[in-house]
Amino acid sequence: QKEVEQDPGPLSVPEGAIVSLNCTYSNSAFQYFMWYRQYSRKGPELLMYTYSSGNKEDGRFTAQVDKSSKYISLFIRDSQPSDSATYLCAMTSSGNTPLVFGKGTRLSVIA
Amino acid sequence: KAGVTQTPRYLIKTRGQQVTLSCSPISGHRSVSWYQQTPGQGLQFLFEYFSETQRNKGNFPGRFSGRQFSNSRSEMNVSTLELGDSALYLCASSSDATNEKLFFGSGTQLSVL
Repeated sequence: QKEVEQDPGPLSVPEGAIVSLNCTYSNSAFQYFMWYRQYSRKGPELLMYTYSSGNKEDGRFTAQVDKSSKYISLFIRDSQPSDSATYLCAMTSSGNTPLVFGKGTRLSVIA
Repeated sequence: KAGVTQTPRYLIKTRGQQVTLSCSPISGHRSVSWYQQTPGQGLQFLFEYFSETQRNKGNFPGRFSGRQFSNSRSEMNVSTLELGDSALYLCASSSDATNEKLFFGSGTQLSVL
């Protein structure tokens, strides 16, 4: 079992839809959780950062962490064509250990 | 503020050759991490340097090596290239000693023929 599992998609939604992206993990020591967005031929960029359990909201984006279920989610409201990208979850147990990434979910938002 | 700069953007090599990739972190960032990204395996951690010292190392063979200079710029080297080394190599920097918030460059796309 891989440490971090993420459905690769692709996921195709109409403009304006609510998008739900998810990752599961097996290492209970993980306590820092991030979502990165990667456009084609670009490096990943940090979208959301959450410490431990709970929700965090930033504009149209909401990140949720459920440590009891080892499950994290990213919700995108009112999705736009510009949201079309690959979304990668990442996590680590401490600031001194490397991030472990999911393989990414490819999202297409159709106008 | 300039972002993370990686050179070259594209590279084509043949099996058995060696290659050196370069990374200039964001000004003031002292930590540099390297990742390999492939469609099959996703992003896999290679190594991390902080203040010229290797702090973490991933599970890659010894053909993969790196270093960091006093100005925080970093290089990674792959010797005796294999077809399976074809990948996007990403460099990321962070502003302090923690890895929670990484800023990535656009990567070097390496093709081994």
